[in-house]
Amino acid sequence: DAKTTQPTSMDCAEGRAANLPCNHSTISGNEYVYWYRQIHSQGPQYIIHGLKNNETNEMASLIITEDRKSSTLILPHATLRDTAVYYCIAISNFGNEKLTFGTGTRLTIIP
Amino acid sequence: EAGVAQSPRYKIIEKRQSVAFWCNPISGHATLYWYQQILGQGPKLLIQFQNNGVVDDSQLPKDRFSAERLKGVDSTLKIQPAKLEDSAVYLCASSLVYSGANVLTFGAGSRLTVL
Repeated sequence: DAKTTQPTSMDCAEGRAANLPCNHSTISGNEYVYWYRQIHSQGPQYIIHGLKNNETNEMASLIITEDRKSSTLILPHATLRDTAVYYCIAISNFGNEKLTFGTGTRLTIIP
Repeated sequence: EAGVAQSPRYKIIEKRQSVAFWCNPISGHATLYWYQQILGQGPKLLIQFQNNGVVDDSQLPKDRFSAERLKGVDSTLKIQPAKLEDSAVYLCASSLVYSGANVLTFGAGSRLTVL
């Protein structure tokens, strides 16, 4: 897996867009960028993933730079329930690679 | 659809005792995972099953940890004897088998405290 780097913590005001950055400068051509989050006392929850095109679903948007060395997860209108640890993972969808979690970004939504 | 079920949610034991955790994955999910999450760290994969066969157990401390998935459905993770450093949340996850995704569904976890 390519190593990813995320800020340790971030704050965001409720109702504003939360933009969570992730650096994956050593990502290889067949590795996807996955985002999971973990709310306190729960297991991780899948959010979104992408290869090189921007992706959007009902939870978030994923913006991947053209060189694929970094990406941003966007929560368009953050609510208090979005307070969680967010994990960015770069991994191939093929072969025997395993989903490996780092320490993630602790996002706190401020009322 | 029902989620991944785990039990017990909490367990407190003394060191050198044994403990077992149970997991029932989402119906139809052939792949099952056990992760260990120590406080302040991200989850670490212990073992992965494909149906009832082991795909990866390279990070499972086999001298004290064992896991089985009989009949390719639910699974049990056992620790015997437990050590203080085994205090953690044990997370079970499952996924469909098809090319093109690492989308796992996790259970709420079983929190183990070893005294």
